[in-house]
Amino acid sequence: DVKVTQSSRYLVKRTGEKVFLECVQDMDHENMFWYRQDPGLGLRLIYFSYDVKMKEKGDIPEGYSVSREKKERFSLILESASTNQTSMYLCATRGGPPSYEQYFGPGTRLTVT
Amino acid sequence: RKEVEQDPGPFNVPEGATVAFNCTYSNSASQSFFWYRQDCRKEPKLLMSVYSSGNEDGRFTAQLNRASQYISLLIRDSKLSDSATYLCVGLNRDDKIIFGKGTRLHILP
Repeated sequence: DVKVTQSSRYLVKRTGEKVFLECVQDMDHENMFWYRQDPGLGLRLIYFSYDVKMKEKGDIPEGYSVSREKKERFSLILESASTNQTSMYLCATRGGPPSYEQYFGPGTRLTVT
Repeated sequence: RKEVEQDPGPFNVPEGATVAFNCTYSNSASQSFFWYRQDCRKEPKLLMSVYSSGNEDGRFTAQLNRASQYISLLIRDSKLSDSATYLCVGLNRDDKIIFGKGTRLHILP
């Protein structure tokens, strides 16, 4: 079974803090993704990566950066957390063809006060 | 037109009934399709892929209608445990995954 783990289930940070969210997968998938999910807005893609040291902006990259130094690890960084970044953050990996199925981590519920 | 659209619901259905919901897609999200299930405060999990010929997995049937550009999910003999949000997902020609916002299903005892 694919296993995707995230460093924290719940996190509370103050405005202006630098926040690191880590995601680790054990399936040797090349593709990894960071989403945020908010009520009424669904899942929105922040950043994704097709390979080590590669990163691509998603639909809402502003205020975020990412790091992929190793294949199994994909980190999301909030350079200076703001209250509008309070959300559920979900990491995912994706297999290649023909399945293209995505596998999600359990999520990190981040609250910025 | 949004790339993948779903009726947000909620669908309130008595236990044992059959329920179906559709998801429409635009041309760009037209390569592959999936249904994901998401329980409250949990991550989405793959329910089933949707094949061109339609596919069935136990009480669940997925259909793809390319002419009308929609996919459907049918749940027969619904159980209380089927209560969840069902996400329609498309993979477009640029290899981009497009999520619908989900349809909430409540199975009533």
